[in-house]
Amino acid sequence: NAGVMQNPRHLVRRRGQEARLRCSPMKGHSHVYWYRQLPEEGLKFMVYLQKENIIDESGMPKERFSAEFPKEGPSILRIQQVVRGDSAAYFCASSPPLGTSVYNEQFFGPGTRLTVL
Amino acid sequence: AQSVTQLDSQVPVFEEAPVELRCNYSSSVSVYLFWYVQYPNQGLQLLLKYLSGSTLVKGINGFEAEFNKSQTSFHLRKPSVHISDTAEYFCAVSAQFQGAQKLVFGQGTRLTINP
Repeated sequence: NAGVMQNPRHLVRRRGQEARLRCSPMKGHSHVYWYRQLPEEGLKFMVYLQKENIIDESGMPKERFSAEFPKEGPSILRIQQVVRGDSAAYFCASSPPLGTSVYNEQFFGPGTRLTVL
Repeated sequence: AQSVTQLDSQVPVFEEAPVELRCNYSSSVSVYLFWYVQYPNQGLQLLLKYLSGSTLVKGINGFEAEFNKSQTSFHLRKPSVHISDTAEYFCAVSAQFQGAQKLVFGQGTRLTINP
């Protein structure tokens, strides 16, 4: 059973370009979470999605950031018009459907390291 | 809302010595508690978790943690560390309710093992 997959692992963008980060959850998992890790900091929650639904986006910046988890295909975190401050590691986690256990453990992918020049 | 404080940003220890990484949390509701380890340029791996029951939790790689509700702490311990334990360790909490169970992380503690 493959783990959570993220691609690309490293992404370099110039200021003003768009960044697209992809996350394929573990097989059977229907929940996806995105976290951002700024240099020398812990992970900060960004958004929680189920298939075709955004459940909690309380950690998403109000502008330029969006996320989706379509019925088919991976979850996408999109950052438009990137700025240097967007340079960070972005981690995706997935968990199984609610009700399968008392707690839905989150399994993390290897992350995408975004560098904005 | 929940918050997590890891009291030490860096902890250097000698190989085979014991180590304790401290974690305190704040929450107005009951929480689940976790410790994750992050090796350089990798994702997070779950070391152990506290959901309910015994307050002493054993995890992988010889680590254990004790949940202390009165002190709102969840310190991580290992009686004898190895060079391979060099990594960043994150304490995290998640509120105990259905629905969005986002994790709130501490700032991390960098554990460095010296030979």
